[in-house]
Amino acid sequence: NAGVTQTPKFQVLKTGQSMTLQCAQDMNHEYMSWYRQDPGMGLRLIHYSVGAGITDQGEVPNGYNVSRSTTEDFPLRLLSAAPSQTSVYFCASSYFAPSSGNTIYFGEGSWLTVV
Amino acid sequence: GENVEQHPSTLSVQEGDSAVIKCTYSDSASNYFPWYKQELGKRPQLIIDIRSNVGEKKDQRIAVTLNKTAKHFSLHITETQPEDSAVYFCAASIMSGGGTSYGKLTFGQGTILTVHP
Repeated sequence: NAGVTQTPKFQVLKTGQSMTLQCAQDMNHEYMSWYRQDPGMGLRLIHYSVGAGITDQGEVPNGYNVSRSTTEDFPLRLLSAAPSQTSVYFCASSYFAPSSGNTIYFGEGSWLTVV
Repeated sequence: GENVEQHPSTLSVQEGDSAVIKCTYSDSASNYFPWYKQELGKRPQLIIDIRSNVGEKKDQRIAVTLNKTAKHFSLHITETQPEDSAVYFCAASIMSGGGTSYGKLTFGQGTILTVHP
């Protein structure tokens, strides 16, 4: 059981390039989300999904696209990278159970630098 | 939307002392409040959480209290140890009603806790 797997772990991009951060979970969780973490600002929600085919914007969605064609995968696409997108990105998945609530599992993170 | 404020931003204590981190939230609909510990270069790890139908929850040296009226919640770490040194984040979420709120956390800005031996 791998949990939440993110790739790549490190990436350097040039301004204007596009790329996709991959996220996969093997826990059959309905809910998946992407956060970015910047120094002194905590984690901020970029996009989230409550199931295959359903996505919505979070707090900081500009410059990013997502899709959810399967329960397992939730890729994050940077359309035209900008230095302001230099950050650490965390994918997360979760489920809701009446007894335990909404436990959220994070991936290991992807360090992205845009030069 | 929800806004979560966390204080202090840095906290330095001696080993064995207690540490308290406080958070306030703005959305009265929020009903789930987790706390995460993040070590350098690692992912956030859930250490304790509390739902709005409970005023206090304890797990060994860690406790969380919630005041719904004042919309604030706190993390208490007793008998601190050097391995408690990390960044701690509070968060708030809505965990009821429709499923569209699940998995959406609003985080505080984080507290860097340093425990000196």
